[in-house]
Amino acid sequence: NAGVMQNPRHLVRRRGQEARLRCSPMKGHSHVYWYRQLPEEGLKFMVYLQKENIIDESGMPKERFSAEFPKEGPSILRIQQVVRGDSAAYFCASSPDGTDSPLHFGNGTRLTVT
Amino acid sequence: RKEVEQDPGPFNVPEGATVAFNCTYSNSASQSFFWYRQDCRKEPKLLMSVYSSGNEDGRFTAQLNRASQYISLLIRDSKLSDSATYLCVVYYTTGFQKLVFGTGTRLLVSP
Repeated sequence: NAGVMQNPRHLVRRRGQEARLRCSPMKGHSHVYWYRQLPEEGLKFMVYLQKENIIDESGMPKERFSAEFPKEGPSILRIQQVVRGDSAAYFCASSPDGTDSPLHFGNGTRLTVT
Repeated sequence: RKEVEQDPGPFNVPEGATVAFNCTYSNSASQSFFWYRQDCRKEPKLLMSVYSSGNEDGRFTAQLNRASQYISLLIRDSKLSDSATYLCVVYYTTGFQKLVFGTGTRLLVSP
């Protein structure tokens, strides 16, 4: 495992269901970032986490969205009661130390809400 | 005003052309700068970091102008494979460390 792993690659949910997106950072990386990219738009920062801590969630919608990065296991981005507007690509990135080290991105999860 | 602004394009150029992209940032406390490349429906990948003195990597040259708060990327001798979206990225620490992405400039290189 050399890179950031995200799963699932594609996720389809009906309106009102919950979506769970997983991200395993690169080995040795303890800083995780989540970004959302709407169709034909740029990457929007959502949340920055370290193990067991949310450092910056200024980009997260106040309702229905939550994120965690437990001591063991992947980081999880959770969207409750999804709506059509949540359809987007969600990218996770990791870095070793949260400084200006370049980010390594996963392949993304494409969420489609029907 | 957006933290990082880019001309969305698209820039349509023939193979072999030279093309330049600019990016402006609003936060004077910005510390580090990068260009990422994103192919359609794929994850962004680091293209190059941008240093104050300017830096070059093959056909790609990046420049930083701190006084005017802009970054540029020059691509010489464009190849078909250069077709992608180029993202300007700014790193700063104001309370939290943060990487802010521009919306990207789309480049289409045609035969």
